[in-house]
Amino acid sequence: QVQLVESGGGVVQPGGSLRLSCAASGFTFSTYSMHWVRQAPGKGLEWVAVFSSLGDNKYYIDSVKGRFTISRDNSKNTLFLQMNSLRVEDTALYYCARAGAGAPFDFWGQGTLVTVSS
Amino acid sequence: DIVMTQSPDSLAVSLGERATINCKSSQTVLYSSNNKNFLAWYQQKPGQPPKLLISWASTRESGVPDRFSGSGSGTDFTLTISSLQAEDVAVYYCQQYYDTRKTFGQGTRVEIK
Repeated sequence: QVQLVESGGGVVQPGGSLRLSCAASGFTFSTYSMHWVRQAPGKGLEWVAVFSSLGDNKYYIDSVKGRFTISRDNSKNTLFLQMNSLRVEDTALYYCARAGAGAPFDFWGQGTLVTVSS
Repeated sequence: DIVMTQSPDSLAVSLGERATINCKSSQTVLYSSNNKNFLAWYQQKPGQPPKLLISWASTRESGVPDRFSGSGSGTDFTLTISSLQAEDVAVYYCQQYYDTRKTFGQGTRVEIK
């Protein structure tokens, strides 16, 4: 069955870095666009970034451009999010989610918690 | 980016009664070439990731009870729960997947009155 398992979250000081991973199984990873979505404590869902299944297309929400980098290793069925220059407002539960071509997010992981605090 | 706005932010409905959630997009999410609305609804219960309920504005996912229905086109959409059950207490989000940056509405919390 389809599984998405995030890891790499933790507590970091403002200005610090973290690298999140999302291990995928149960489907052909390379054929899906993979997204990161975050949810601040008690708040709503915020789309963060996507790595398209087609080519090398990556897109980000404006607030993380230049600080976050999304990447994927199709040979290891893993999605990554390198987060640098972290801010307090980046504190959130980070989910990875898959989407078929032109389709919504049909599977989500359980999320990994990132806390940015001094 | 396409901005998604839901209303209301929260609502309390008696068991067995109808719940209606509205979602408005800042620009059309109707793709003219295939006449499909790139609009989804998700349900999120406490401590769980979101669950896809409805895609293409009105197509229920497999296993979703038929008391959930979606309607609308272009920029205005509605999620209706025809007869609220206790297990429907959750936060509901709309999302557009028309654009590469797949934005969500702010969420609507549904509670039992």
